[in-house]
Formats: sequence, structure tokens, C-alpha cells
Amino acid sequence: QSALTQPASVSGSPGQSITISCSGTSSDVGAYNYVSWYQQRPGKAPKLIIYDVSNRPSGVSDRFSGSKSGNTASLTISGLQAEDEADYYCSSYTTSTTLVFGGGTKVTVL
Amino acid sequence: EVQLLESGGGLIQPGGSLRLSCAASGFTFSGYAMSWVRQAPGKGLEWVSVIYSGGGTTYYADSVKGRFTISRDNSQNTLYLQMNSLRAEDTAVFYCAKVDNSDWFRGFRHWGQGTLVTVSS
Repeated sequence: QSALTQPASVSGSPGQSITISCSGTSSDVGAYNYVSWYQQRPGKAPKLIIYDVSNRPSGVSDRFSGSKSGNTASLTISGLQAEDEADYYCSSYTTSTTLVFGGGTKVTVL
Repeated sequence: EVQLLESGGGLIQPGGSLRLSCAASGFTFSGYAMSWVRQAPGKGLEWVSVIYSGGGTTYYADSVKGRFTISRDNSQNTLYLQMNSLRAEDTAVFYCAKVDNSDWFRGFRHWGQGTLVTVSS
């Protein structure tokens, strides 16, 4: 159950688009379309922003979008805003009937 | 409105035991699988365990298997996590979490506020 691999940090200027990668294996990301993404602000519980690779829960901005190719999933934030500054985590269901998270990516808005 | 309220955290010595609770409200508790997710201070999220709606099926992360036991009381709308043989590396904020759909692994839409467990002598 090794953690999924995410870049430690990503930054961008307001209005730009950024993409966070989430690399797994054929036993997790590559096995199912059950990748989720979470946003977490300091001292707060995580917030679900993408599920099933590319679906947004109601109330989540359409500036957030998800995709997957092979064993790697990606989260794109378009029109970057100051409020997007947070930690982002991916997760995936695995063939062992468990869930694995990524190590997290800190997004900084310059 | 879905509400999840964890309790039971605290300071415990290595090797000790602790039981966490998660009181649920605002939904039909007996209809959903429930999970525990933890986060060590300054670290990332780690899934810990899941229990299916009826309580008869459970799964665990390798890091806690054999030491932690997840259970639920559907009559009391409460989720539990019994933690034995605690280690320093178990120090974390523990969250209970719930999905909105029928499959427990398809995105945790609802989270509690978390309860801090500190394992230290």
C-alpha cells in the first residue's frame, strides 16, 4: 500500500491554470476509475472536489477538473484564485479493497 | 444536514489502548459504509479502515491491521475505532468519513472535525 506520488508543491499566478499529477500503479489508479481529489485548508477537514476521476460534487467550482491516463491521474485548476491556495490530495481505490492517498501537493498562488 | 462528530482522542502511552467514537446524524446511518482516515501532524492523509453498512465486512490498512478494530452500532448511529498496541507513529488526527453514494471508496463527501490522538510517554 504505497502512497500515490504527487509533486510536493505547485505554484501559479492568479488567472493561470495549474495541473497536479497523481501517479500510481496498475493496482490502484490504473485499475479503476475511482480516483478522488480533496482540497484541505490549514486546520480544516478535507473537502471533496473530484470523484470518479472527473466528476464534481454539487457546489464545487467548475474551475476544478480531473482526468486520468493509464496509471496517472491529474487535477487541473483553471483561473487560479487566491482562495485556491491549499493542500490537495488524490486518492484511489485499490485491487486490495483498500484506499490509498497521495502524499499531497501544496498549491501556492503567487 | 450530515454531521459527524468524533470523540475519544487524547494522550496515551505507547502500548496503550484507546477507543474513538463518531456520532452520526442527518442521514440513515445504517445505510452507509463508514471509514476512518487519519493525518499525522504536518503529514498527508492516510486511510485507516472501512466498515460496511451492516457491520459484517471490514477492511484495514496494513499499518493498523491486527491492532485496530472498526465497529459500529446502528441503533446508536455511532462508529467506533478500537486502537490497541498504540505506537508513536499512530499520533494523528483521526477523521470519520462518509460517501454520498453506494460505494464507500467513491469520494468522501462528509468528514467530521477530527479528534487528535497523541501517543507519547
